[in-house]
Amino acid sequence: DTAVSQTPKYLVTQMGNDKSIKCEQNLGHDTMYWYKQDSKKFLKIMFSYNNKELIINETVPNRFSPKSPDKAHLNLHINSLELGDSAVYFCASSQNSGSGNTIYFGEGSWLTVV
Amino acid sequence: AQSVTQLDSQVPVFEEAPVELRCNYSSSVSVYLFWYVQYPNQGLQLLLKYLSGSTLVKGINGFEAEFNKSQTSFHLRKPSVHISDTAEYFCAVIDSGGSNYKLTFGKGTLLTVNP
Repeated sequence: DTAVSQTPKYLVTQMGNDKSIKCEQNLGHDTMYWYKQDSKKFLKIMFSYNNKELIINETVPNRFSPKSPDKAHLNLHINSLELGDSAVYFCASSQNSGSGNTIYFGEGSWLTVV
Repeated sequence: AQSVTQLDSQVPVFEEAPVELRCNYSSSVSVYLFWYVQYPNQGLQLLLKYLSGSTLVKGINGFEAEFNKSQTSFHLRKPSVHISDTAEYFCAVIDSGGSNYKLTFGKGTLLTVNP
């Protein structure tokens, strides 16, 4: 039983394409996130949703559009992919948006843009 | 805003040796502190966290960390490492009074345990 699951795990695509990464959590959490890990392993938050409402948007290009159809799902859609978008994207969730909560991460989606 | 500095990008050690991974943070407000581990090609897993109370925090897999407010540090330690501890370790910080959950991560320390 995977708590936070994301698909696909690996994605290779050409520049200019549009792609989506799906994420689901079965923990009953209210808050979900997308983090990006670059080639130097640096992790940075991109978005956060609490009960389907966007609460954090970290100066991410508007080619990236998160969608939360319900509080158990947070999908990431990327338009007009660029070489610099190659990274590992992690979905995550927490009980709520309070600071002390543990964040649970998915296993990551390795995106390679060629 | 907070920042996290992990002083060593790589730490090689031999099996059964003790290890310390260093983490310093910078913040103008009270913080909560976390250590996460990332095994190769996997997601991040929480090792331990400091919210309040005892400054010595014990986590999973025999790891512990000590919060030192005066030195703004949260170093991770294990008295005897195993090959299976080889992984990337991330220190993270968050404003304890914040209403939006925005973890700031350090750049990671690669722990390599050699036989």
